[in-house]
Amino acid sequence: QKEVEQDPGPLSVPEGAIVSLNCTYSNSAFQYFMWYRQYSRKGPELLMYTYSSGNKEDGRFTAQVDKSSKYISLFIRDSQPSDSATYLCAMGTGGGNKLTFGTGTQLKVEL
Amino acid sequence: GAVVSQHPSWVICKSGTSVKIECRSLDFQATTMFWYRQFPKQSLMLMATSNEGSKATYEQGVEKDKFLINHASLTLSTLTVTSAHPEDSSFYICSARTSGSLGNEQFFGPGTRLTVL
Repeated sequence: QKEVEQDPGPLSVPEGAIVSLNCTYSNSAFQYFMWYRQYSRKGPELLMYTYSSGNKEDGRFTAQVDKSSKYISLFIRDSQPSDSATYLCAMGTGGGNKLTFGTGTQLKVEL
Repeated sequence: GAVVSQHPSWVICKSGTSVKIECRSLDFQATTMFWYRQFPKQSLMLMATSNEGSKATYEQGVEKDKFLINHASLTLSTLTVTSAHPEDSSFYICSARTSGSLGNEQFFGPGTRLTVL
């Protein structure tokens, strides 16, 4: 079993839809959770960064962490074609240690 | 803030030559930088962790004599692929962690596409 599981997709939604992206993990030592967006042939861009359970909102993006279930989510409201990219979840134990990444979910938002 | 650059963005070289890739943190000091490799449609594979002024820590299965990493300053780390072969062709991405950060967030460079003929 991988430490972080993420459905690779592809996930195709119509413009304006609410998108839900998820990751599960097995290491209870993870304390920091991130979502990155990666466009084709580009480096990942940090979208959301959360610590501890709960919700964090930034514009159209909401990150949710449920430590008891070892489950994190990223919601995208009013999705746009420009949101089409691969979304990677990542998590770490703190202290500058390395991140553990999910495989990434490929999202396509269609007109 | 937290901008990371990489140079070159792409490089084509002949088999047997060495290629150096630079990673710079432009507006912050990075005590730790990371080097990743990514194959098409796959996730990031961590190659090594680089701390300023000390030797890099390589992940299992990564040849340290093949992939030389130098982190000479708080804003610059370099990855040299020595005696490159076609199987080294890949997308190489660096990331940096800000000094003093309590968490793990990393800021990534735009990547370098290496093609070895």
